[in-house]
Amino acid sequence: KAGVTQTPRYLIKTRGQQVTLSCSPISGHRSVSWYQQTPGQGLQFLFEYFSETQRNKGNFPGRFSGRQFSNSRSEMNVSTLELGDSALYLCASSSLAGDTYEQYFGPGTRLTVT
Amino acid sequence: LAKTTQPISMDSYEGQEVNITCSHNNIATNDYITWYQQFPSQGPRFIIQGYKTKVTNEVASLFIPADRKSSTLSLPRVSLSDTAVYYCLVASGGATNKLIFGTGTLLAVQP
Repeated sequence: KAGVTQTPRYLIKTRGQQVTLSCSPISGHRSVSWYQQTPGQGLQFLFEYFSETQRNKGNFPGRFSGRQFSNSRSEMNVSTLELGDSALYLCASSSLAGDTYEQYFGPGTRLTVT
Repeated sequence: LAKTTQPISMDSYEGQEVNITCSHNNIATNDYITWYQQFPSQGPRFIIQGYKTKVTNEVASLFIPADRKSSTLSLPRVSLSDTAVYYCLVASGGATNKLIFGTGTLLAVQP
C-alpha cells in the first residue's frame, strides 16, 4: 500500500508569512505525528493527532498549530514565519493509538524561510 | 521519557558486523527500545524494537540485558548503503505516539 505522503516537498517563504503543510497517512492509520528536524536541534516532536484530536504537544510556540480531518489527513500551520523555522518537517503515521512498534515517516517538506 | 546516549559516529568497512550501543539508564518499566535509521533528506525508518533479551528480524538484531539500562543494535555484514544515522529511542506504550529522538549515531561504511 502507498506510504505516507507529504505536500509540498519543498517550499520557500518569506519572514512573516504563514505556511500550511499537508500529510496523508497510510490508509487505515489514524494517528499522525509531526516532527521538525534542523541541524542544530535534531528531530523534535511537534504534536500528535489521533481521530481528529490532538493527544500530545511538544514544546513549540503557539505559531505552530495543526489539525486532523475525518479521513485522517493532517495539516500543520506555521504563522508569522521566522528564519529559525527553516527545517525539514516530517509527519509519521501509525495504526493504533500508542502504537510505538512502528511509525511510518513521510519524506518530509523542506521549508526555507528567507 | 527516558533519555538515551549513543556514540556520535562510528566507522566500519563493508562486510563487517557493526554493533551500536545505546545507554538508557532511566528506562521505565513500560518503555520499549526502538531503533530507527535515517538517510539524508528522508524520514526515519523503523528498524527494530524490543523489550528485553534478544530480538532479531531480517535486517538487524537487538540485544537487551536483564537490567535494560542499555541495548545494542547489531547490523550483520554492513554494506555501503547502510551508511546512515541510527537513532535509539525509548518509548512508552499507551496513549501516545510521541517519540523523543536523541542525536543519533552516524554510521559511515567504507569499501
